[in-house]
Amino acid sequence: EAGVVQSPRYKIIEKKQPVAFWCNPISGHNTLYWYLQNLGQGPELLIRYENEEAVDDSQLPKDRFSAERLKGVDSTLKIQPAELGDSAVYLCASSLGVGGGTYNEQFFGPGTRLTVL
Amino acid sequence: QKEVEQNSGPLSVPEGAIASLNCTYSDRVSQSFFWYRQYSGKSPELIMSIYSNGDKEDGRFTAQLNKASQYVSLLIRDSQPSDSATYLCAVNGGGADGLTFGKGTHLIIQP
Repeated sequence: EAGVVQSPRYKIIEKKQPVAFWCNPISGHNTLYWYLQNLGQGPELLIRYENEEAVDDSQLPKDRFSAERLKGVDSTLKIQPAELGDSAVYLCASSLGVGGGTYNEQFFGPGTRLTVL
Repeated sequence: QKEVEQNSGPLSVPEGAIASLNCTYSDRVSQSFFWYRQYSGKSPELIMSIYSNGDKEDGRFTAQLNKASQYVSLLIRDSQPSDSATYLCAVNGGGADGLTFGKGTHLIIQP
């Protein structure tokens, strides 16, 4: 079974430029998450999707960040404009979703390492 | 605010010994508990999940949960150098909620 796929793996941009990250979850996983991980810290949730609906975006800085999950499969996370403090690893994860127990186990993709100069 | 606390380490354990990793959480309504392993430069990898009080064993790994004490632990038996990594404790309120992570414990297995 293929895991969560993310691209690009690395991105270097100058501040004030836009950037987008793409995620393809594990086949059949209805719930998709975007997390941000800074060096030496655990991942922090940005947004959670149930199918195509964003059900928890309370931690997403909406002035510059946006996300979409068209057709309830792939998702894109965008930052516009990027700031120096946005340098981090952006992780996508997926789970089967509602059902309890192992349905809620989240599996992470390889991440996108963003460097803002 | 939900918090998950872990000792950042490094925790140094001789090869073949038992490594014991601990985690406490602040939100009493937390229902699901997970341990992830993260190698340097890699993404977190799920190694254990536990949902009820007591012990859960999987190979060399044992997760322990005590909801009354708001405490989760991970034991690694017969530690190997390949177990050297950062171990992240994560909790949520159950269901498909996002996870709240600790900062992780850096484990070093000494050959």
